[in-house]
Amino acid sequence: DAKTTQPPSMDCAEGRAANLPCNHSTISGNEYVYWYRQIHSQGPQYIIHGLKNNETNEMASLIITEDRKSSTLILPHATLRDTAVYYCIVRVEPSGGYQKVTFGTGTKLQVIP
Amino acid sequence: NAGVTQTPKFQVLKTGQSMTLQCAQDMNHEYMSWYRQDPGMGLRLIHYSVGAGITDQGEVPNGYNVSRSTTEDFPLRLLSAAPSQTSVYFCASSYSHLRAYEQYFGPGTRLTVT
Repeated sequence: DAKTTQPPSMDCAEGRAANLPCNHSTISGNEYVYWYRQIHSQGPQYIIHGLKNNETNEMASLIITEDRKSSTLILPHATLRDTAVYYCIVRVEPSGGYQKVTFGTGTKLQVIP
Repeated sequence: NAGVTQTPKFQVLKTGQSMTLQCAQDMNHEYMSWYRQDPGMGLRLIHYSVGAGITDQGEVPNGYNVSRSTTEDFPLRLLSAAPSQTSVYFCASSYSHLRAYEQYFGPGTRLTVT
């Protein structure tokens, strides 16, 4: 699996867009980019994933650069409840067997009132 | 939908005791799994199941048993608790083992073994 690099921490003002970057320069053509977050003392939460097109769901948008070497998770209107550690994971779409979810160190996002 | 539910939320055991951590999902998900999360070690897969009646070991299965008699339930049994099993345990599910990275996690069970 390709290695990912994320800033260790970021702050965002409440109500503003939070843009969380992730570098994955060694990504290969069949690897997807997944984003999870973990709010303190809770289970990880799947947010979104994509291959090469930008994706949007009710939680967030995922922007993947054309060369796929980096991506940005966008929370359009951050709230205090979005304070969490955000994990970017690059992984081949599983074809069978067990699928271990491996988290790196992530970005700790602090939303400030 | 309640999503993925886990009980109990907290548990204290003495060394050698056994117990079962419960996990249930109401999303008709095929794939379910158990992880433990320890400080500095991330999530480690204990056991997983790709459907009712089918289970297999993850990367740290020793000391744990699972069974999957229904689609909804996937209990984790600790056979003889040890202090090394003190951890936070998460159950997760996904629609299919082919979409296992799109997993939905339960709130966790915090287990302390003394």
